[in-house]
Amino acid sequence: AQSVTQLDSHVSVSEGTPVLLRCNYSSSYSPSLFWYVQHPNKGLQLLLKYTSAATLVKGINGFEAEFKKSETSFHLTKPSAHMSDAAEYFCVVSDDTGNQFYFGTGTSLTVIP
Amino acid sequence: NAGVTQTPKFQVLKTGQSMTLQCAQDMNHEYMSWYRQDPGMGLRLIHYSVGAGITDQGEVPNGYNVSRSTTEDFPLRLLSAAPSQTSVYFCASSPTQGAADTQYFGPGTRLTVL
Repeated sequence: AQSVTQLDSHVSVSEGTPVLLRCNYSSSYSPSLFWYVQHPNKGLQLLLKYTSAATLVKGINGFEAEFKKSETSFHLTKPSAHMSDAAEYFCVVSDDTGNQFYFGTGTSLTVIP
Repeated sequence: NAGVTQTPKFQVLKTGQSMTLQCAQDMNHEYMSWYRQDPGMGLRLIHYSVGAGITDQGEVPNGYNVSRSTTEDFPLRLLSAAPSQTSVYFCASSPTQGAADTQYFGPGTRLTVL
């Protein structure tokens, strides 16, 4: 079975400082992994995805994530937070068919001016 | 393209009532899915479809039915609403099935069951 654990339910950073949102996954095969962002009262938007190509994945808005198989991690980072980054972030793993997706419980990011 | 559209945006039901949440996409996507989002639990997959005429259960299918008669539409039916089905429902679509492809989400339907 596959699952995702987001290690922090809430993260606060100051504007201009680095962002780190942590995600660990459990899977019995080589998974596809995603990060989605949800702004208040909006739908979800893909930030980036890993599908067994390069282990360092670059996404939109300056975000990137590194797939580390040995640590079963897929942490999301950004060098410098912006006020517009304040949102809920979800780490997602697919099953081996590529048809079912399992979401983490989310990390709420607050950016302090 | 309108992308993924959902109607209604808000709905209040009484226990035992039935209703259909509508979802449509105009991107000719093969794969469509329904999720529910509850506080502190992330999104959970209810049902999904890999093409017209083909549906399958997700993680939390009980109390919900789906059908996929066309590529564009994927309605979600609540047969007899219960307070436990109070949630925000999201429909999503992606171009291909079985490829762990990017999903495009609709704006959501907020459902309250009294």
